Amino acid sequence: KQEVTQIPAALSVPEGENLVLNCSFTDSAIYNLQWFRQDPGKGLTSLLLIQSSQREQTSGRLNASLDKSSGRSTLYIAASQPGDSATYLCAVILPNSGGGADGLTFGKGTHLIIQP
Amino acid sequence: GAVVSQHPSWVICKSGTSVKIECRSLDFQATTMFWYRQFPKQSLMLMATSNEGSKATYEQGVEKDKFLINHASLTLSTLTVTSAHPEDSSFYICSAREMNTEAFFGQGTRLTVV
Repeated sequence: KQEVTQIPAALSVPEGENLVLNCSFTDSAIYNLQWFRQDPGKGLTSLLLIQSSQREQTSGRLNASLDKSSGRSTLYIAASQPGDSATYLCAVILPNSGGGADGLTFGKGTHLIIQP
Repeated sequence: GAVVSQHPSWVICKSGTSVKIECRSLDFQATTMFWYRQFPKQSLMLMATSNEGSKATYEQGVEKDKFLINHASLTLSTLTVTSAHPEDSSFYICSAREMNTEAFFGQGTRLTVV
């Protein structure tokens, strides 16, 4: 059964710092991997989707890498801002028996606080 | 990205009553919809997967008679929590995708059973 682990569980840094959030998964046969942001009491905002054949994706100040063989992904946030404060979730999608994609398996998230 | 609308965003109900949550894909045909549940400080857990016109596939430990899922059209899926109890209080969120494309998430529904 796929398990997704995120480290650290919580992180508090001063504004302006670059930071790295880590995600690891036990089954490397993934369909793709996705990073989300969740604000308190809110739904999910998709940040980056990495296909299994890709090694990284970038969007603005965010960069996500994927190393399928080692079962790891990192989310790099450059020049952090107070508005980046949220919980960041990593999720992997496994292929189903029909060759398509299954539902997502989520990690517990990293609760990030950016101090002004 | 595509838009998935979930309604209601929050609901409070009495123990023993049933609650229906709707999930709509607004600008694409959702061949597959997923329902997740998130308890406080826990990760989102997949409850069930439904393909349009077929019965939903439930994850282990999820009672199919308690959580009724209907996916009768390509733009609408509903989750009905039957005979809700306080332990069913949670954050429920749906996602939808067209074929094997990226899945998009609804805004979630905060259910409180009193």
